[in-house]
Amino acid sequence: KAGVTQTPRYLIKTRGQQVTLSCSPISGHRSVSWYQQTPGQGLQFLFEYFSETQRNKGNFPGRFSGRQFSNSRSEMNVSTLELGDSALYLCASSSTRVLNTEAFFGQGTRLTVV
Amino acid sequence: DAKTTQPTSMDCAEGRAANLPCNHSTISGNEYVYWYRQIHSQGPQYIIHGLKNNETNEMASLIITEDRKSSTLILPHATLRDTAVYYCIVRGAGGTSYGKLTFGQGTILTVHP
Repeated sequence: KAGVTQTPRYLIKTRGQQVTLSCSPISGHRSVSWYQQTPGQGLQFLFEYFSETQRNKGNFPGRFSGRQFSNSRSEMNVSTLELGDSALYLCASSSTRVLNTEAFFGQGTRLTVV
Repeated sequence: DAKTTQPTSMDCAEGRAANLPCNHSTISGNEYVYWYRQIHSQGPQYIIHGLKNNETNEMASLIITEDRKSSTLILPHATLRDTAVYYCIVRGAGGTSYGKLTFGQGTILTVHP
């Protein structure tokens, strides 16, 4: 069974640009969550999607947005990039939203904003 | 979100058991304790989770105290490949915290030959 796949693995963007990251969950998984990891703030929750609906959102500005498609694949978008958006972006998939369900992470997308 | 407290770093000899403690004194009744580990800049790897009973799988054992205010992750025979940052997480169970994994700073476990 394939794991969580994130593309691209590495990305370099310029300040002011926008970026779209993709996450393909484990087959059959319907919940996708996104996290940002930086050296200063650690791992922080961005948002969760389940059945194409955003179920939960972290404390990030509106420049960060996401969506989920009918096949459960998810994308996150960051507009008007800032230097501080440089981070490892991780997504995690779960089969359900039940609390007793493991969440499995992808390898992440390393975004560098210059 | 219930907070967790872990030691910043720990050392362990290869082949010995590694016991990683975690304090979660504000945990509520329906919140699960999850453990993940992260090896340098890779995605976090799921290890184990539990509610109130002790749990064991092929990777580790999780011991949760009766009052649920603390837990211990046990790696029975640590290897060099177990060197990683270990995160103890209380998974949110209500309102806007539902389902969220709130990561702290974790414990850097170094396994020595």
